Amino acid sequence: SQKIEQNSEALNIQEGKTATLTCNYTNYSPAYLQWYRQDPGRGPVFLLLIRENEKEKRKERLKVTFDTTLKQSLFHITASQPADSATYLCALDITGGGNKLTFGTGTQLKVEL
Amino acid sequence: DGGITQSPKYLFRKEGQNVTLSCEQNLNHDAMYWYRQDPGQGLRLIYYSQIVNDFQKGDIAEGYSVSREKKESFPLTVTSAQKNPTAFYLCASRSLLGERNQPQHFGDGTRLSIL
Repeated sequence: SQKIEQNSEALNIQEGKTATLTCNYTNYSPAYLQWYRQDPGRGPVFLLLIRENEKEKRKERLKVTFDTTLKQSLFHITASQPADSATYLCALDITGGGNKLTFGTGTQLKVEL
Repeated sequence: DGGITQSPKYLFRKEGQNVTLSCEQNLNHDAMYWYRQDPGQGLRLIYYSQIVNDFQKGDIAEGYSVSREKKESFPLTVTSAQKNPTAFYLCASRSLLGERNQPQHFGDGTRLSIL
């Protein structure tokens, strides 16, 4: 069966450190992978997209990698701040998937002072 | 400002009652989506629509119905057949123009509870 796995345990890190979140998938052939941020009681907000033929994408303090051999994406936040505390969701846009996204369960990040 | 508006923010349903959640977008997006979010289960797709007067079932469509009479509007009805409706419901839209890499834009959700 098809699965998208994100670490269900919250990730706690100190301010200033780099946070690394993982998204693993099985039995998918994604054309694109997207990362979203969700704050409590709010809808997800798009952060970054990476295509299957791209290895890495950066935007300010954010970096995403995509390894289609390992079937894994890593999401990095450098110089993390308490304001980065939120739940981060990965989503796959599958070739032939009918313009749909399939979301992972999300990982909660807490950045402490 | 362009965006997606969901209403109401909180909704309570009595036994045997149908309730309708509103979703309106002014982004001129062709595609619209409804998701259900439960704790620890991420977003699950209920229904989606890529064009007016057409929609498709998602992974958990049973007990729900939708309509797409206008491009801007995609209301979701939670019927009495949905036995466990308590959840956070999210509406999203997406442009289908250009490259197939457009992100989804979300509303701020409706939290539905049973009385």
